[in-house]
Amino acid sequence: GAGVSQSPSNKVTEKGKDVELRCDPISGHTALYWYRQSLGQGLEFLIYFQGNSAPDKSGLPSDRFSAERTGGSVSTLTIQRTQQEDSAVYLCASSSSGSTDTQYFGPGTRLTVL
Amino acid sequence: GNSVTQMEGPVTLSEEAFLTINCTYTATGYPSLFWYVQYPGEGLQLLLKATKADDKGSNKGFEATYRKETTSFHLEKGSVQVSDSAVYFCALMDSNYQLIWGAGTKLIIKP
Repeated sequence: GAGVSQSPSNKVTEKGKDVELRCDPISGHTALYWYRQSLGQGLEFLIYFQGNSAPDKSGLPSDRFSAERTGGSVSTLTIQRTQQEDSAVYLCASSSSGSTDTQYFGPGTRLTVL
Repeated sequence: GNSVTQMEGPVTLSEEAFLTINCTYTATGYPSLFWYVQYPGEGLQLLLKATKADDKGSNKGFEATYRKETTSFHLEKGSVQVSDSAVYFCALMDSNYQLIWGAGTKLIIKP
């Protein structure tokens, strides 16, 4: 597609369940980023991929969060044993390379943990 | 550490008014600076950017100049429209290519 796509657009889950969020970057973009947007914390960086490797995982809030990227394209963010404080909009962005190139954002996945 | 501070909102203006949204930053070195906009119900879109001191980014009538002396990147527009109503985010890119964000400023333009 022309832009970054994310799925699902909305996810409601019960506390303690695992969730997987998917991101399809713009074709040919080697860098991929996950951010989280929540009412209390604003926009926060989570993790960055260059190709399939993640040189910077510093933003992952706990060991319940993990992410992978395969084939230099699709990325999955997994949250295990979800907690209510995980409720947020999870945003994915991609750029043509890991530099100062513009990051293009997807529409986000709104996660609600009951 | 790196940080971005922008004026709190909401900012409410009448159509055709002059807009300024202040943004200041703290960083080592000279990071690239960005303004992103989030229209109601839509995703984040890049509005403009500047990659070095004294650069001026511009788009859709909006402008911002990278001022290293005052570590600022204020967003301006000469005549706002109702369609400019949105949340505006100032951000810097750190050495690890992650964006560090301001809290966002909600702009409301009344006809």
